[in-house]
Amino acid sequence: KAGVTQTPRYLIKTRGQQVTLSCSPISGHRSVSWYQQTPGQGLQFLFEYFSETQRNKGNFPGRFSGRQFSNSRSEMNVSTLELGDSALYLCASSLWWGGPYEQYFGPGTRLTVT
Amino acid sequence: GQQVMQIPQYQHVQEGEDFTTYCNSSTTLSNIQWYKQRPGGHPVFLIQLVKSGEVKKQKRLTFQFGEAKKNSSLHITATQTTDVGTYFCAVNTDKLIFGTGTRLQVFP
Repeated sequence: KAGVTQTPRYLIKTRGQQVTLSCSPISGHRSVSWYQQTPGQGLQFLFEYFSETQRNKGNFPGRFSGRQFSNSRSEMNVSTLELGDSALYLCASSLWWGGPYEQYFGPGTRLTVT
Repeated sequence: GQQVMQIPQYQHVQEGEDFTTYCNSSTTLSNIQWYKQRPGGHPVFLIQLVKSGEVKKQKRLTFQFGEAKKNSSLHITATQTTDVGTYFCAVNTDKLIFGTGTRLQVFP
């Protein structure tokens, strides 16, 4: 089975711009979660989608949003980028949502905001 | 909200030495997962523990869940350079909450 894929792998944006990141889960997995990883804050949960519905959300401002399509692929969007948004954005897929399911992570998108 | 602390933050060992990282919570955990992230890589699932006092082994790795289900540990026997990376515990309730991680460096 192909693993979780994320595009693009690297991105450089300017403050104030917006960005869209994409994630394709493992075939058959219906849950996609997004995480932000920074040296200072570690790995932080952004949100989880299952069956095209957001099931859970972390403590991030409304500038961070996401969606999931009928084929389980997911996108996350960050609007009005700030320098502090520079991070590795990881998505993870699992079979189901809301429980102790093994998460399979993608390679991440490294976002740099200048 | 749920918080999970890990200690130590960093550990440098000589190849062949043992290594242990601890994960602690102030509340009872329903389950705990362990992940490894190699430098420049992404987290990779290692194991999940759900029962009080549970001990699981994977070759040189031993995972333990505390009797009170408030703490867990990962012990690596006779470390190798391939063990280098950051080890995270994570609690999966309705979302995955990661511990702060322990970065392991192994010197040959």
